[in-house]
Amino acid sequence: KAGVTQTPRYLIKTRGQQVTLSCSPISGHRSVSWYQQTPGQGLQFLFEYFSETQRNKGNFPGRFSGRQFSNSRSEMNVSTLELGDSALYLCASSRSRGRGNTEAFFGQGTRLTVV
Amino acid sequence: SQQGEEDPQALSIQEGENATMNCSYKTSINNLQWYRQNSGRGLVHLILIRSNEREKHSGRLRVTLDTSKKSSSLLITASRAADTASYFCATDLYNTDKLIFGTGTRLQVFP
Repeated sequence: KAGVTQTPRYLIKTRGQQVTLSCSPISGHRSVSWYQQTPGQGLQFLFEYFSETQRNKGNFPGRFSGRQFSNSRSEMNVSTLELGDSALYLCASSRSRGRGNTEAFFGQGTRLTVV
Repeated sequence: SQQGEEDPQALSIQEGENATMNCSYKTSINNLQWYRQNSGRGLVHLILIRSNEREKHSGRLRVTLDTSKKSSSLLITASRAADTASYFCATDLYNTDKLIFGTGTRLQVFP
């Protein structure tokens, strides 16, 4: 069974630009979550989508947005990039019914560098 | 911040020794999970312990949970060089799938 696939793996962008990251969950998983990992802040929850609806959201500015498609694939978008957005962005999928108790399967991440 | 704390931040041991990592968290939970991350890559799920469980084993891994102290520990027995990685605990906000990760422990196992 294929794992969680994130594309692209590496990305370099300039301040002020926008970026879109993609995540394909494990087949049959309807929940997709996004996390940002930086050396200073560690792993921070961005948002979670389930059946095309945003179910949970972390404490990030409105420049960070996402969506989920009917096939459960998800994208996240960051507009007006700042240097501090440089991070490893991780996507996780799960079978989730929204009550916890489910393990999350992570992709390899997208390493975003903003210059 | 809701983020949990892990202790120690870094741990260096020889192959064959045991490694113990501790995690403290702040909120009520459904379960607590442990993940491993090899350098700069995705996280791999290791074990999940429910809030009504006190101890769980999986291979060389032993996890304990004390909900009264809001703490957990991960023990890796007979460590191997391949266990070198960062280890994170993660808790869920009650009745959600939002995972709150600890700060992580960097484990180095020398051959």
